[in-house]
Amino acid sequence: DADVTQTPRNRITKTGKRIMLECSQTKGHDRMYWYRQDPGLGLRLIYYSFDVKDINKGEISDGYSVSRQAQAKFSLSLESAIPNQTALYFCATSDPSKQGGPWNEQFFGPGTRLTVL
Amino acid sequence: GENVEQHPSTLSVQEGDSAVIKCTYSDSASNYFPWYKQELGKRPQLIIDIRSNVGEKKDQRIAVTLNKTAKHFSLHITETQPEDSAVYFCAAKVGANNLFFGTGTRLTVIP
Repeated sequence: DADVTQTPRNRITKTGKRIMLECSQTKGHDRMYWYRQDPGLGLRLIYYSFDVKDINKGEISDGYSVSRQAQAKFSLSLESAIPNQTALYFCATSDPSKQGGPWNEQFFGPGTRLTVL
Repeated sequence: GENVEQHPSTLSVQEGDSAVIKCTYSDSASNYFPWYKQELGKRPQLIIDIRSNVGEKKDQRIAVTLNKTAKHFSLHITETQPEDSAVYFCAAKVGANNLFFGTGTRLTVIP
C-alpha cells in the first residue's frame, strides 16, 4: 500500500548536535509537510513544500531547515539541537489534484520521537 | 493567520453516552474543516470533514456540524465505544492554504 514513512522512529541526542529526520512517501503526492506535536499544543507546522522547487516556512520554522530532494523525499534538519526541540515530529503529504479539489486531506507518517538532552 | 481553538482539552464519558468536541476559528474565509483522530502511539488520521457550503455531515456514529455565522464547528460521537478513546484534532483551512490545527481533545470512554 502507498504510504508515508519516517526515519528514525526514535532518536536521543545532545544539545548542539546536528540532526536530520527523513520522510519518504510512495503516494505520489506533490505536497509534503513537517509538523511537531507537543502536549497541549496540538500540531504546529514547521515547513512545507508544494513541489520539488518550492519550500515555505510554517509557523515555527526557527531552528529548523528542510530539503526536498525529490518528489518522494523531504528531510528536516535541526542545525544545533536544543532541549526545547524535544517533541514528536510528523511528516505528512497531500495532493489536492488527486482529491477532487483543494480540500487537502493530509496523510501522516508514523512520527519520530526526538529527545534532546 | 487562522487561529483555531478547541475545547475541552480532556473529556471522559461512559460507554454508550455521546461526546461533543467544539472548535472555533478566526478567519471567516475558512472553507474546509477536517477532524483527525490519533490513537495512542499512532499517527493522526482523518475521520470526517465538512466544507463551508454544508451545515452538517454524518458518517455512522460520528457527525460534524458547522455554524459559519458564529465561526464554530463541532464533532459529535454517539453511542461511544472504548475504541473511540483517542486524541481528536480539529482543523481549519482557507482556500489552497495550509491546515491550522486545534490543540486537541483527549477522549476517554469508560467501559
